[in-house]
Amino acid sequence: NAGVTQTPKFRVLKTGQSMTLLCAQDMNHEYMYWYRQDPGMGLRLIHYSVGEGTTAKGEVPDGYNVSRLKKQNFLLGLESAAPSQTSVYFCASSKTGLAGVEQYFGPGTRLTVT
Amino acid sequence: AQKITQTQPGMFVQEKEAVTLDCTYDTSDPSYGLFWYKQPSSGEMIFLIYQGSYDQQNATEGRYSLNFQKARKSANLVISASQLGDSAMYFCAMREAGYSSASKIIFGSGTRLSIRP
Repeated sequence: NAGVTQTPKFRVLKTGQSMTLLCAQDMNHEYMYWYRQDPGMGLRLIHYSVGEGTTAKGEVPDGYNVSRLKKQNFLLGLESAAPSQTSVYFCASSKTGLAGVEQYFGPGTRLTVT
Repeated sequence: AQKITQTQPGMFVQEKEAVTLDCTYDTSDPSYGLFWYKQPSSGEMIFLIYQGSYDQQNATEGRYSLNFQKARKSANLVISASQLGDSAMYFCAMREAGYSSASKIIFGSGTRLSIRP
């Protein structure tokens, strides 16, 4: 049972380059999320999805785009990377959006933009 | 707007002692959930414990318990008989209720717990 997986685990980009982070879950969860974690801070929500084909903005969406073409996958794109996007990115999923439902997290992707 | 505050950036505790990690929150929604996650140095986020706003009793999971004081809007994590493996960052998080499009978890800034042998 893989749970939530993220690809890649590490990446170094130059300013202006683009890339896509892939998140996959095998738990048939409806909700999926992308967070970023900066040093000394908690996780901040970038974008999320409440079901296949839907996306919505979170707390810090600027500079990112997302897509949820398949229920099990949630892609995070950086069109033109900036040093301010150096961070650890976590994907998460949950069965529903109800208050008591736990989010399951992937292992994270460490992204450095030079 | 919902908000989570963790006022202890770091704590040192002797092995086998109990430790309390503080968390206060703010929300106008009467229905919400509170979570604690552990993040060891390896980086993954591990779910520890959950407390619902309408739960009558404080949540417990093994050595973890949640001291929920609704009137004070606090949800402190208590770890009994601390172990070296408890050394990690701990995050308090909150989610408001419902299927609304704004339903999401927000996180506090975390507390780094270090257990001394």
